[in-house]
Amino acid sequence: EAGVTQFPSHSVIEKGQTVTLRCDPISGHDNLYWYRRVMGKEIKFLLHFVKESKQDESGMPNNRFLAERTGGTYSTLKVQPAELEDSGVYFCASSQDRSGLTNTGELFFGEGSRLTVL
Amino acid sequence: DAKTTQPNSMESNEEEPVHLPCNHSTISGTDYIHWYRQLPSQGPEYVIHGLTSNVNNRMASLAIAEDRKSSTLILHRATLRDAAVYYCILRDRTSGNTPLVFGKGTRLSVIA
Repeated sequence: EAGVTQFPSHSVIEKGQTVTLRCDPISGHDNLYWYRRVMGKEIKFLLHFVKESKQDESGMPNNRFLAERTGGTYSTLKVQPAELEDSGVYFCASSQDRSGLTNTGELFFGEGSRLTVL
Repeated sequence: DAKTTQPNSMESNEEEPVHLPCNHSTISGTDYIHWYRQLPSQGPEYVIHGLTSNVNNRMASLAIAEDRKSSTLILHRATLRDAAVYYCILRDRTSGNTPLVFGKGTRLSVIA
């Protein structure tokens, strides 16, 4: 079974440009999460999809970030326009739906997309 | 989610046991204790989780204090591949899909 895949693995862009990161979750996983790690900081939650709906986007830093999950399968995270402080590693994770169950599901993470804004 | 406290770093010799502590004095009755780790240049990966009883799996053991205010992740024989940042995370069991909240974690170094 394929794991969570992310593309690209590394992107280098100039300030002001646009970048789109893609995440393919494990097949059948309704939950999809985006996280990022900025240099020297902790891994921070960005947002959570349940199927195609945004369940929680409290971690999105500002309106330059747009996440979509059309059809409830893969997701994209677009940064437009990119700023220097957006540099970091963006992780995607997925998990099975555990709603109504009194146990918490394991999150499966991708290897991340490293974004460098010059 | 309730906060956890872990040492910033620990060191271990290869093939010796490692005990990684975590304090979570404000844990609620509905919180599971999760451990994830992040190997260099990889995404975090699940290690183990538990509620009240000690847990064992192929990767590690989790020892949970009787009052649940602390726990210890035990790697029985550290290998070089176990060098990673280990995160102790509390997650409410009544809301199965809530995101994980990562802290600073413990950076484990393994010496050959």
